[in-house]
Amino acid sequence: GNSVTQMEGPVTLSEEAFLTINCTYTATGYPSLFWYVQYPGEGLQLLLKATKADDKGSNKGFEATYRKETTSFHLEKGSVQVSDSAVYFCALSAGNNDMRFGAGTRLTVKP
Amino acid sequence: ETGVTQSPTHLIKTRGQQVTLRCSSQSGHNTVSWYQQALGQGPQFIFQYYREEENGRGNFPPRFSGLQFPNYSSELNVNALELDDSALYLCASSLNLAVSEETQYFGPGTRLLVL
Repeated sequence: GNSVTQMEGPVTLSEEAFLTINCTYTATGYPSLFWYVQYPGEGLQLLLKATKADDKGSNKGFEATYRKETTSFHLEKGSVQVSDSAVYFCALSAGNNDMRFGAGTRLTVKP
Repeated sequence: ETGVTQSPTHLIKTRGQQVTLRCSSQSGHNTVSWYQQALGQGPQFIFQYYREEENGRGNFPPRFSGLQFPNYSSELNVNALELDDSALYLCASSLNLAVSEETQYFGPGTRLLVL
């Protein structure tokens, strides 16, 4: 079945460091891929998405490229801020109404 | 524009009881999905409602049931609660059915503890 595997956390970085959170997927067909962010005490917010191979999603300085050949959708940011501290979820949807999420990666950014 | 709201925010029940959780969709959204998020895990899809009809279900037993009302608000009902039902329950609304294309907007969740 469809599934997402993402890098286990927690991840702790200093402000302005480079961030990569790895995400790989298994799916039949051609899924859409998403990154969601969950700030403390809040619901999930869509951070970015890509709906076909080689698409790059970007938002708020975060980027992820849909790589079909490696079945990956790694999240990157060149310079993290304290305000980026949150839990990040990779997810896929394969054309039906069932979105599959990874287990989440907690990011803490220290000043 | 009002976002997705859920009530209550927290709830404590005992094993065997029944619970009803509520969700108000974002204005104009006709599709709502419910998810269960266990501690330290990603959300798992329970079911989706589109225009008051169930439109797909994840791997959850029949004691998890739902309703969607004409104003597109929704309820999640869980009967015969078990300890493993303790989780954060999230609802998400979207403008149309296609989850792969439409952005889902999530509520803050209801945290359920079953003792």
